[in-house]
Amino acid sequence: EPEVTQTPSHQVTQMGQEVILRCVPISNHLYFYWYRQILGQKVEFLVSFYNNEISEKSEIFDDQFSVERPDGSNFTLKIRSTKLEDSAMYFCASSEFRDNNEQFFGPGTRLTVL
Amino acid sequence: AQKVTQAQTEISVVEKEDVTLDCVYETRDTTYYLFWYKQPPSGELVFLIRRNSFDEQNEISGRYSWNFQKSTSSFNFTITASQVVDSAVYFCALSETNDYKLSFGAGTTVTVRA
Repeated sequence: EPEVTQTPSHQVTQMGQEVILRCVPISNHLYFYWYRQILGQKVEFLVSFYNNEISEKSEIFDDQFSVERPDGSNFTLKIRSTKLEDSAMYFCASSEFRDNNEQFFGPGTRLTVL
Repeated sequence: AQKVTQAQTEISVVEKEDVTLDCVYETRDTTYYLFWYKQPPSGELVFLIRRNSFDEQNEISGRYSWNFQKSTSSFNFTITASQVVDSAVYFCALSETNDYKLSFGAGTTVTVRA
């Protein structure tokens, strides 16, 4: 069964460093998403991406964040200068359609900022 | 304002007991989708069900059942004859018309004791 994959599973970085989180969505899906979950809290939407551009973003997704689909398979989230409060689990998701919004989630990348 | 409210923070039951998780949502849209996801201790998000706003039929899948009531804006989830493997955090989520994102509730932690 096709699935969303994410790498790395765990990333440790120093405050102020740039990180890139990688995702491979399901191959025939057209809509891509990033969510984050701070430890013990709810899952929060960051950004959605369709047709090579951002379609919606939350107030969390400030200028420190960017997303890219550099090739036909990868979907990346970059955090330019990490802060302690960026420590969280980051989930990538993809969906084939927007209307029914059945989003399939990857296993997540745990980001720890020291 | 919270769009999805899961008032129960934690529920603890003994194996074979039934457990019902409450979810109350808020939207002005007439077309929307409701979801339940399971997050086991390993951290991934597992899709359980999607229900559109026009389908108020209750659904049963094995030991899982869902009760959707538009009149009370609720989409409750029952696990029948709970098992230790059901121990997880369960999230209810809402997707509205013309909206890309899923809005998650705070989650309910279910602990099933042997």
